[in-house]
Amino acid sequence: AQTVTQSQPEMSVQEAETVTLSCTYDTSENNYYLFWYKQPPSRQMILVIRQEAYKQQNATENRFSVNFQKAAKSFSLKISDSQLGDTAMYFCAFMTLPSGSRLTFGEGTQLTVNP
Amino acid sequence: EPEVTQTPSHQVTQMGQEVILRCVPISNHLYFYWYRQILGQKVEFLVSFYNNEISEKSEIFDDQFSVERPDGSNFTLKIRSTKLEDSAMYFCARGKGESETQYFGPGTRLLVL
Repeated sequence: AQTVTQSQPEMSVQEAETVTLSCTYDTSENNYYLFWYKQPPSRQMILVIRQEAYKQQNATENRFSVNFQKAAKSFSLKISDSQLGDTAMYFCAFMTLPSGSRLTFGEGTQLTVNP
Repeated sequence: EPEVTQTPSHQVTQMGQEVILRCVPISNHLYFYWYRQILGQKVEFLVSFYNNEISEKSEIFDDQFSVERPDGSNFTLKIRSTKLEDSAMYFCARGKGESETQYFGPGTRLLVL
């Protein structure tokens, strides 16, 4: 079974600074996909970024980037120039096709951006 | 990406009653999913649906649950004989393909009293 672990239940950062959220996963598969979703207080699930395991290059989306370390099974999210609107719960998620296309989520990290 | 629409946004029901949650898909998306999130917990997969059939279901998705796309448009999740522990946010998600990114609807908050 695939598992996703987010070891930081809560984090905080000052506005305009950089923060990194950690995620590790466990799988025996070689072909898989990793995601970060953001859940603000409205509880909507919003895609932040996606990474394909076969790609060596780390994905980036504006202020959001990942550090994907396949050998270490690590997938951290870096948020640069943090904004107040980044305050949310962040979930790391994993998908591998041999196990179907279900998303397996971590427990989440509550990020608070302070003014 | 266009958003998925879910109705109702909130539902309060009595224990033992049946509820139907609805998801309005995008026409060119073939894969649909239901997830649930009990308050304060992580998001859990319930079922995936492709080509009008269940393609995968989790251990949570027992005989109490069913999904269908009765009119070829709305994708529904039916929960029979609701229990207190069914109280949760239920998310519909959709994707263009099996390995494609899943985009979530705004969710339906279900409260079972």
